[in-house]
Amino acid sequence: NAGVTQTPKFQVLKTGQSMTLQCAQDMNHEYMSWYRQDPGMGLRLIHYSVGAGITDQGEVPNGYNVSRSTTEDFPLRLLSAAPSQTSVYFCASSQRDRGGYTFGSGTRLTVV
Amino acid sequence: SQQGEEDPQALSIQEGENATMNCSYKTSINNLQWYRQNSGRGLVHLILIRSNEREKHSGRLRVTLDTSKKSSSLLITASRAADTASYFCATDGQAGTALIFGKGTTLSVSS
Repeated sequence: NAGVTQTPKFQVLKTGQSMTLQCAQDMNHEYMSWYRQDPGMGLRLIHYSVGAGITDQGEVPNGYNVSRSTTEDFPLRLLSAAPSQTSVYFCASSQRDRGGYTFGSGTRLTVV
Repeated sequence: SQQGEEDPQALSIQEGENATMNCSYKTSINNLQWYRQNSGRGLVHLILIRSNEREKHSGRLRVTLDTSKKSSSLLITASRAADTASYFCATDGQAGTALIFGKGTTLSVSS
């Protein structure tokens, strides 16, 4: 199994540009989440989903959109990138009631 | 606001010593989990303890949970240089649908 796959691994955007961070898992996990990690801040929850067609906001959702049309995919969209969105983004998935999450290797995003 | 807060923020020990990290959280939980992150990498799940459990072991790891104090501790026994990493606690909250992380403890094990 590939686990959780995130693409791209690195991205540089200009302020105001939009882009989509991709996340795919092949473990048939119901739960998927997006986090951002900034120095000294740990991981902060952006959006999460408990199944196809169901999404909800986390701690820091502003400036980000998500959708979950299939169990496998959970893309994160930046509508109009800002320098404050420079961060490392992690996607994670888990099977319901199993607890432990599997993380992707991350996308390092720089907004200039 | 973040649910879990780890203590200490940084810990430096010698190989063979034990490392203890603490985590406090704010709201009721179904379970508490610990993760490890090596520099520049994704997080790896270490151990999960449910709210009705008080202690759990996995290899050199020992986790305790005190729900009355809303706190947990992670003990790594006989530390190795390969244990050098950041360690995070995470809680699932009452809904149990997503994890909320603390800011982590950075562990450095020198040989």
